[in-house]
Amino acid sequence: DTAVSQTPKYLVTQMGNDKSIKCEQNLGHDTMYWYKQDSKKFLKIMFSYNNKELIINETVPNRFSPKSPDKAHLNLHINSLELGDSAVYFCASSQGKGFLSNQPQHFGDGTRLSIL
Amino acid sequence: GQQVMQIPQYQHVQEGEDFTTYCNSSTTLSNIQWYKQRPGGHPVFLIQLVKSGEVKKQKRLTFQFGEAKKNSSLHITATQTTDVGTYFCAGRVRTGTASKLTFGTGTRLQVTL
Repeated sequence: DTAVSQTPKYLVTQMGNDKSIKCEQNLGHDTMYWYKQDSKKFLKIMFSYNNKELIINETVPNRFSPKSPDKAHLNLHINSLELGDSAVYFCASSQGKGFLSNQPQHFGDGTRLSIL
Repeated sequence: GQQVMQIPQYQHVQEGEDFTTYCNSSTTLSNIQWYKQRPGGHPVFLIQLVKSGEVKKQKRLTFQFGEAKKNSSLHITATQTTDVGTYFCAGRVRTGTASKLTFGTGTRLQVTL
């Protein structure tokens, strides 16, 4: 009965490959997010979706493409992986209508991506 | 763009000592949230502060929101080994009908016996 679940938990792959990370939440939340946490633990927002609509798109290379088939799912596809993409990627969700949401964010366990 | 800095970056204390982390924003915030991330874990929501000068307590943790709503602090009294982790503040800025939550740089707390 995990609230926000991400798969896979670990991803080890070579430079140049394409990979996807999946996220699902069963909390009934309206808004979902992708964050990147680097080796220094800095947590940076990448994207946010509200009811399948993209509402935040930070300065992220266009090799990263989020997709939200419904409000309970937000997947992240990464093309042509680079060494600098190595990080932990967290999915999160919150209640409320995106921009006006003051609710806490619930995080998944993270996907540890390592590029060889 | 908005920046949220925390100091210190790292603190090592002995069990029983107090600990404080400070959070400073370059812009006025509509509210601030605090999260704790255990080693190898994910950020977990602790609390939200909304009003200027607000103080909230959770057992040994005391959270404060500055009068100008640009800074905040988290104080832990008599730390325990279970307090180990990285503490993040996250400030929300509203611009019209939009708002964005920006996470601080984090403070890593190590507690030893």
